[in-house]
Amino acid sequence: NAGVTQTPKFRILKIGQSMTLQCTQDMNHNYMYWYRQDPGMGLKLIYYSVGAGITDKGEVPNGYNVSRSTTEDFPLRLELAAPSQTSVYFCASSYRAENTEAFFGQGTRLTVV
Amino acid sequence: AQSVTQLDSHVSVSEGTPVLLRCNYSSSYSPSLFWYVQHPNKGLQLLLKYTSAATLVKGINGFEAEFKKSETSFHLTKPSAHMSDAAEYFCVVSDLSNTGKLIFGQGTTLQVKP
Repeated sequence: NAGVTQTPKFRILKIGQSMTLQCTQDMNHNYMYWYRQDPGMGLKLIYYSVGAGITDKGEVPNGYNVSRSTTEDFPLRLELAAPSQTSVYFCASSYRAENTEAFFGQGTRLTVV
Repeated sequence: AQSVTQLDSHVSVSEGTPVLLRCNYSSSYSPSLFWYVQHPNKGLQLLLKYTSAATLVKGINGFEAEFKKSETSFHLTKPSAHMSDAAEYFCVVSDLSNTGKLIFGQGTTLQVKP
C-alpha cells in the first residue's frame, strides 16, 4: 500500500525555470492538499482539492498552479521559480473533510538559486 | 478564526524522563485537534486526534494528550522518553470550512539526550 507518493524528492531550480511537483495517492481519497514547510513556520496550505475537477486556493497560492483531472493525481506547478519558493513541499490526502487524519507524502525539497 | 500556538520551539529531555509538549488553541467551536510527528527527512505521521469524544486521547508509541476546554489547551505527554522520539512535533487544528484543511502550529523540536 503506497499511500501518498511525491516525486521528485529533491530538486534544484534556477530562477525563472518552471517545474511540476507530482503527487499521487492510491487510497481513493477525494480531498488532496499541497503544503509548504519553511523553517520555524509550520506548514502553510498552498492549494487544495475536494474532488476531481475542483481546486481552490489556500493561504499561500501566489506563484503556484494546480490541476485535478483524476482522483489519484494532484500536481503542483511552479511557472517562474523564485528564491522565495525554496521550501519543502508536502502533498496530503484525506477521505473526508471532518474529524479525520490526513496522510502525507515524504516531501519534495526544492531549492531555487 | 482557528489557530494553534505551540508554546515551546525546542524541548530537551533525558532518555527515560517525561515529555511535555505544550499547545494552546483558539476556536469558535468545538475543534478537531491533532498531533503529528515528523522524523528527520520524513513525511508527517499522525500521533493522535481529538474529535469531541473522550478528553484524554491515547496515541501511538505511548503518547497521549488531554483536551482542556477551560484552558484551551491540548498538551502532548509521554511518561518516558525514548531516543527514537527525537523529532519535530506539530499541533494541528482542523479548519471549520468542511474542506479538511489543517492549520499547523509552528512546531516543537524534541531532543532526547542519552
